[in-house]
Amino acid sequence: QVQLVQSGAEVKKPGSSVKVSCKASGGTFNNYAITWVRQAPGQGLEWMGRIIISDSATYAQKFQGRVTITADKSTTTVNMELSSVRYEDSAVYYCAREVRGSDYYFFSDYWGQGTLVTVSS
Amino acid sequence: DIQMTQSPSSLSASVGDRVTITCRASQGISSHLAWFQQKPGKAPKSLISGASSLQSGVPSKFSGSGSGTDFTLTINCLQPEDFATYYCQQYDAYPLTFGGGTKVEIK
Repeated sequence: QVQLVQSGAEVKKPGSSVKVSCKASGGTFNNYAITWVRQAPGQGLEWMGRIIISDSATYAQKFQGRVTITADKSTTTVNMELSSVRYEDSAVYYCAREVRGSDYYFFSDYWGQGTLVTVSS
Repeated sequence: DIQMTQSPSSLSASVGDRVTITCRASQGISSHLAWFQQKPGKAPKSLISGASSLQSGVPSKFSGSGSGTDFTLTINCLQPEDFATYYCQQYDAYPLTFGGGTKVEIK
């Protein structure tokens, strides 16, 4: 069955970088996309960007220049790196698999368990 | 960016009730609308894509409808496990955007 397993919690100092990984199993890795969504404490969901495994990454304007999403096909792992972190980047970060519908638009079907990132001095 | 407006932001309902949540897009998104359920401390769970197509394993008491700018999620015969926060998301255009969420609480 499809599983997305994310790396463990991180504590980072302001100005540093954090990398969160998302290992996918089940399904054909090359056929889908992985999207990243974050959720600050008590807040809603915020889309950060996605990578289409057979293509490239697209990022939300808000994170452009600070976020990089890469895929390693050999390990079926997608990494999300956020640089120059600030206190307001403290959140739970989720990866989600996206599959292509009959009209070729991608939508999410399975989610990782989430990774808590805390930014603290 | 496409703004997604959910209403209500919260509601109280009893076990066995039917509830309806609405989601409005600031511009037309065809049927590129998904619904998610999230319980406290847990990852979101995908319920519906394409505005009305149930994800595998999602019970038929959940249903979605709409296209263009106005969408609804209906939950029939509410059960204790259905009390959660529900989010809509448009995936028609970048950036993908979510509604603010609707918290369904026990009356």
